[in-house]
Amino acid sequence: DTEVTQTPKHLVMGMTNKKSLKCEQHMGHRAMYWYKQKAKKPPELMFVYSYEKLSINESVPSRFSPECPNSSLLNLHLHALQPEDSALYLCASTAAGQGGSGANVLTFGAGSRLTVL
Amino acid sequence: QKEVEQDPGPLSVPEGAIVSLNCTYSNSAFQYFMWYRQYSRKGPELLMYTYSSGNKEDGRFTAQVDKSSKYISLFIRDSQPSDSATYLCAMTYYGQNFVFGPGTRLSVLP
Repeated sequence: DTEVTQTPKHLVMGMTNKKSLKCEQHMGHRAMYWYKQKAKKPPELMFVYSYEKLSINESVPSRFSPECPNSSLLNLHLHALQPEDSALYLCASTAAGQGGSGANVLTFGAGSRLTVL
Repeated sequence: QKEVEQDPGPLSVPEGAIVSLNCTYSNSAFQYFMWYRQYSRKGPELLMYTYSSGNKEDGRFTAQVDKSSKYISLFIRDSQPSDSATYLCAMTYYGQNFVFGPGTRLSVLP
Protein backbone atom coordinates (compact mmCIF):
# COMPACT_ATOMS: atom_id res chain seq x y z
CA ASP A 1 0.00 0.00 0.00
CA THR A 2 1.26 3.46 -0.92
CA GLU A 3 1.84 5.94 1.90
CA VAL A 4 0.59 8.79 -0.27
CA THR A 5 -3.17 8.60 -0.75
CA GLN A 6 -4.90 10.27 -3.67
CA THR A 7 -8.61 10.75 -4.26
CA PRO A 8 -10.51 10.28 -6.42
CA LYS A 9 -8.89 7.45 -8.40
CA HIS A 10 -10.89 8.40 -11.48
CA LEU A 11 -12.56 11.68 -12.43
CA VAL A 12 -14.54 12.61 -15.52
CA MET A 13 -15.44 16.26 -15.93
CA GLY A 14 -16.77 18.63 -18.53
CA MET A 15 -14.91 21.72 -19.63
CA THR A 16 -17.11 23.99 -17.52
CA ASN A 17 -16.93 21.96 -14.30
CA LYS A 18 -14.98 22.76 -11.14
CA LYS A 19 -13.47 19.80 -9.33
CA SER A 20 -10.58 19.07 -6.97
CA LEU A 21 -7.98 16.37 -6.61
CA LYS A 22 -6.83 15.54 -3.09
CA CYS A 23 -3.62 14.11 -1.70
CA GLU A 24 -2.70 13.10 1.84
CA GLN A 25 0.52 11.78 3.40
CA HIS A 26 1.34 10.95 7.01
CA MET A 27 5.08 10.37 6.67
CA GLY A 28 5.97 13.78 8.11
CA HIS A 29 7.28 14.92 4.74
CA ARG A 30 7.37 18.70 4.31
CA ALA A 31 7.75 18.81 0.50
CA MET A 32 4.78 17.84 -1.66
CA TYR A 33 4.49 17.74 -5.43
CA TRP A 34 1.96 17.59 -8.22
CA TYR A 35 3.00 15.85 -11.44
CA LYS A 36 1.08 15.31 -14.67
CA GLN A 37 1.73 12.17 -16.69
CA LYS A 38 0.52 11.47 -20.22
CA ALA A 39 0.56 7.95 -21.67
CA LYS A 40 4.04 6.54 -22.38
CA LYS A 41 5.70 9.68 -21.03
CA PRO A 42 7.55 10.34 -17.76
CA PRO A 43 5.93 12.45 -15.03
CA GLU A 44 6.06 16.18 -15.71
CA LEU A 45 6.42 18.51 -12.72
CA MET A 46 3.63 21.02 -12.12
CA PHE A 47 4.01 22.39 -8.58
CA VAL A 48 6.15 21.95 -5.48
CA TYR A 49 5.19 22.98 -1.95
CA SER A 50 7.90 23.20 0.67
CA TYR A 51 6.83 23.70 4.28
CA GLU A 52 3.33 24.59 3.02
CA LYS A 53 4.62 27.35 0.77
CA LEU A 54 4.55 27.18 -3.02
CA SER A 55 8.19 26.98 -4.06
CA ILE A 56 7.98 25.86 -7.70
CA ASN A 57 5.31 26.55 -10.33
CA GLU A 58 6.38 25.18 -13.68
CA SER A 59 4.42 27.78 -15.68
CA VAL A 60 1.22 25.80 -15.27
CA PRO A 61 -1.96 27.41 -16.70
CA SER A 62 -4.15 29.13 -14.12
CA ARG A 63 -6.96 26.64 -14.71
CA PHE A 64 -4.90 24.46 -12.32
CA SER A 65 -4.78 25.93 -8.82
CA PRO A 66 -2.80 24.18 -6.07
CA GLU A 67 -3.46 24.51 -2.37
CA CYS A 68 -1.60 23.16 0.67
CA PRO A 69 -3.92 23.52 3.69
CA ASN A 70 -1.44 21.85 6.07
CA SER A 71 1.70 19.75 6.06
CA SER A 72 -0.22 16.52 5.32
CA LEU A 73 -2.64 17.68 2.64
CA LEU A 74 -2.31 18.89 -0.91
CA ASN A 75 -5.15 19.82 -3.23
CA LEU A 76 -5.31 20.59 -6.93
CA HIS A 77 -8.34 22.66 -7.93
CA LEU A 78 -9.46 22.26 -11.52
CA HIS A 79 -11.58 24.75 -13.48
CA ALA A 80 -12.36 25.21 -17.17
CA LEU A 81 -10.04 22.40 -18.24
CA GLN A 82 -9.42 21.36 -21.83
CA PRO A 83 -9.56 17.83 -23.28
CA GLU A 84 -5.75 17.89 -23.64
CA ASP A 85 -5.55 18.14 -19.83
CA SER A 86 -6.74 14.53 -19.61
CA ALA A 87 -3.91 12.63 -17.92
CA LEU A 88 -2.81 10.79 -14.79
CA TYR A 89 -2.19 13.32 -12.01
CA LEU A 90 0.35 12.18 -9.47
CA CYS A 91 0.99 13.51 -6.00
CA ALA A 92 4.37 12.85 -4.40
CA SER A 93 6.27 13.82 -1.28
CA THR A 94 9.83 13.91 0.03
CA ALA A 95 11.60 14.66 3.25
CA ALA A 96 13.91 17.00 1.31
CA GLY A 97 15.57 19.45 3.67
CA GLN A 98 14.70 17.33 6.70
CA GLY A 99 17.79 15.11 6.55
CA GLY A 100 17.93 11.39 7.14
CA SER A 101 18.39 8.37 4.93
CA GLY A 102 16.27 8.53 1.82
CA ALA A 103 15.29 12.17 2.33
CA ASN A 104 15.82 13.02 -1.31
CA VAL A 105 13.57 10.33 -2.72
CA LEU A 106 10.10 10.86 -4.16
CA THR A 107 7.25 8.74 -2.85
CA PHE A 108 4.30 8.76 -5.25
CA GLY A 109 0.63 8.15 -4.76
CA ALA A 110 -1.35 5.85 -7.04
CA GLY A 111 -2.60 8.80 -9.08
CA SER A 112 -5.91 10.31 -10.12
CA ARG A 113 -6.90 9.56 -13.71
CA LEU A 114 -8.62 12.60 -15.14
CA THR A 115 -10.73 12.63 -18.29
CA VAL A 116 -11.96 15.98 -19.62
CA LEU A 117 -14.85 15.76 -22.07
CA GLN B 1 21.15 16.58 -25.63
CA LYS B 2 18.45 15.51 -23.14
CA GLU B 3 19.41 15.68 -19.50
CA VAL B 4 18.61 11.98 -18.94
CA GLU B 5 18.54 9.38 -21.70
CA GLN B 6 16.97 5.96 -21.46
CA ASP B 7 16.19 3.37 -24.13
CA PRO B 8 12.37 3.32 -24.36
CA GLY B 9 12.22 -0.30 -25.49
CA PRO B 10 10.04 -2.26 -25.58
CA LEU B 11 12.39 -4.88 -24.16
CA SER B 12 11.12 -8.47 -24.24
CA VAL B 13 12.87 -11.23 -22.32
CA PRO B 14 12.00 -14.81 -21.37
CA GLU B 15 11.09 -15.61 -17.78
CA GLY B 16 14.17 -16.24 -15.66
CA ALA B 17 16.44 -13.97 -17.71
CA ILE B 18 18.69 -11.30 -16.23
CA VAL B 19 17.46 -7.87 -17.28
CA SER B 20 19.72 -4.84 -17.57
CA LEU B 21 18.14 -1.39 -17.68
CA ASN B 22 20.27 1.72 -18.11
CA CYS B 23 20.22 5.50 -18.05
CA THR B 24 22.83 8.05 -19.00
CA TYR B 25 22.83 11.64 -17.84
CA SER B 26 24.66 14.84 -18.57
CA ASN B 27 24.54 16.83 -15.29
CA SER B 28 27.47 15.84 -13.07
CA ALA B 29 25.78 17.55 -10.09
CA PHE B 30 23.24 14.72 -9.70
CA GLN B 31 23.85 12.86 -6.43
CA TYR B 32 20.68 10.86 -5.73
CA PHE B 33 19.54 8.20 -8.17
CA MET B 34 16.26 6.31 -8.15
CA TRP B 35 14.56 3.53 -10.07
CA TYR B 36 10.79 3.34 -10.21
CA ARG B 37 8.53 0.61 -11.53
CA GLN B 38 5.23 1.70 -13.02
CA TYR B 39 2.46 -0.67 -13.96
CA SER B 40 -0.03 0.47 -16.57
CA ARG B 41 -2.35 3.23 -15.29
CA LYS B 42 -0.77 3.16 -11.80
CA GLY B 43 1.57 5.50 -9.94
CA PRO B 44 5.36 4.92 -9.98
CA GLU B 45 6.61 2.65 -7.19
CA LEU B 46 10.10 3.20 -5.79
CA LEU B 47 12.32 0.15 -6.28
CA MET B 48 15.81 1.33 -5.42
CA TYR B 49 17.65 4.50 -4.58
CA THR B 50 21.38 5.17 -4.37
CA TYR B 51 23.39 8.10 -3.14
CA SER B 52 26.49 8.91 -5.21
CA SER B 53 28.47 6.07 -6.81
CA GLY B 54 28.36 2.40 -5.92
CA ASN B 55 26.13 -0.65 -5.89
CA LYS B 56 23.05 -1.49 -3.88
CA GLU B 57 21.25 -4.82 -3.79
CA ASP B 58 17.73 -5.67 -2.65
CA GLY B 59 16.51 -9.18 -3.36
CA ARG B 60 16.47 -9.73 -7.12
CA PHE B 61 17.30 -6.07 -7.84
CA THR B 62 20.74 -4.46 -8.03
CA ALA B 63 21.28 -0.76 -8.71
CA GLN B 64 24.65 0.54 -9.89
CA VAL B 65 25.84 4.12 -10.25
CA ASP B 66 29.00 5.13 -12.09
CA LYS B 67 29.30 8.88 -11.69
CA SER B 68 32.55 9.04 -13.64
CA SER B 69 30.71 7.72 -16.71
CA LYS B 70 27.39 9.38 -15.81
CA TYR B 71 25.72 5.99 -16.15
CA ILE B 72 23.28 4.13 -13.92
CA SER B 73 21.93 0.61 -14.20
CA LEU B 74 19.24 -1.59 -12.72
CA PHE B 75 19.66 -5.36 -12.91
CA ILE B 76 16.78 -7.74 -12.36
CA ARG B 77 17.73 -11.36 -11.72
CA ASP B 78 15.39 -14.30 -12.32
CA SER B 79 12.88 -12.02 -14.05
CA GLN B 80 9.20 -12.86 -13.62
CA PRO B 81 6.13 -12.00 -15.72
CA SER B 82 5.06 -9.77 -12.80
CA ASP B 83 8.15 -7.63 -13.53
CA SER B 84 6.51 -6.54 -16.81
CA ALA B 85 6.14 -2.78 -16.40
CA THR B 86 7.73 0.51 -17.35
CA TYR B 87 10.93 1.30 -15.47
CA LEU B 88 11.77 4.96 -14.87
CA CYS B 89 15.12 6.26 -13.71
CA ALA B 90 15.14 9.55 -11.81
CA MET B 91 17.83 11.72 -10.31
CA THR B 92 18.30 14.88 -8.32
CA TYR B 93 21.10 16.92 -6.80
CA TYR B 94 19.40 18.43 -3.80
CA GLY B 95 16.02 16.78 -3.57
CA GLN B 96 13.52 19.24 -4.95
CA ASN B 97 14.05 19.12 -8.71
CA PHE B 98 13.86 15.56 -9.99
CA VAL B 99 14.71 14.68 -13.56
CA PHE B 100 13.20 11.55 -15.08
CA GLY B 101 14.28 9.38 -17.96
CA PRO B 102 11.56 8.60 -20.53
CA GLY B 103 11.14 5.06 -19.18
CA THR B 104 11.83 1.57 -20.57
CA ARG B 105 8.91 -0.77 -21.22
CA LEU B 106 9.80 -4.32 -20.16
CA SER B 107 7.88 -7.49 -21.03
CA VAL B 108 8.85 -10.75 -19.35
CA LEU B 109 7.38 -13.63 -21.31
CA PRO B 110 6.27 -16.83 -19.52
